[in-house]
Amino acid sequence: QSVLTQPPSVSGAPGQRVTISCTGSSSNIGAHYDVHWYQQLPGTAPKLLIYGNNNRPSGVPDRFSGSKSGTSASLAITGLQAEDEAAYYCQSYDSSLSGYVMFGGGTKLTVL
Amino acid sequence: EVQLVQSGAEVKKPGESLKISCKGSGYSFTNYWIGWVRQMPGKGLEWMGIIYPGDSDTRYSPSFQGQVTISADKSSYTAYLQWSSLKASDTAMYYCARQVNPAESFQDWGQGTLITVSS
Repeated sequence: QSVLTQPPSVSGAPGQRVTISCTGSSSNIGAHYDVHWYQQLPGTAPKLLIYGNNNRPSGVPDRFSGSKSGTSASLAITGLQAEDEAAYYCQSYDSSLSGYVMFGGGTKLTVL
Repeated sequence: EVQLVQSGAEVKKPGESLKISCKGSGYSFTNYWIGWVRQMPGKGLEWMGIIYPGDSDTRYSPSFQGQVTISADKSSYTAYLQWSSLKASDTAMYYCARQVNPAESFQDWGQGTLITVSS
């Protein structure tokens, strides 16, 4: 069971807006560690989507945005497109037990 | 261009040993952490551990401590993940990825190495 909790699945129609939550605790997201998001298309390696809570690497469309508040973070996707259908993972750092990298359990986005 | 190129797929029997590799290029290999991530069939990403090739500082997830060994060779810009005795439950895709420090994002990923352990 992941320390960072994500919904197993979300869905939306093309053009709609969806959000994916990532809930942590006082030893990771709540301890002011940044949250990062990855997109994993079927059969491919994960790709960095959002870093440092709300920053997009070069080449990532501005339809993707991130936010963080307290012990939670969210990924928002606006103007949903068929090619956004993928698994999405959040990642942060946990200061307990000598410090560890943490991934959320992942959320499968289905574009209806 | 930054690249992390991993070794090819492997099919092994339970009890066998294995060492897979991840070769970095296009950046200063000793100044970035390399992490290893497991993805079992149909499952999510699991962080296994990281190494800083500059001084070989290595950290393991409690779930993988004692189960695998992470190492790096600065001279060949290569990080390694090894098992001394594979189990069927080690069947998975394994990714390497680089990060500036353990709290930062994994900026670049290898293509993955599929390990199949079956008798």
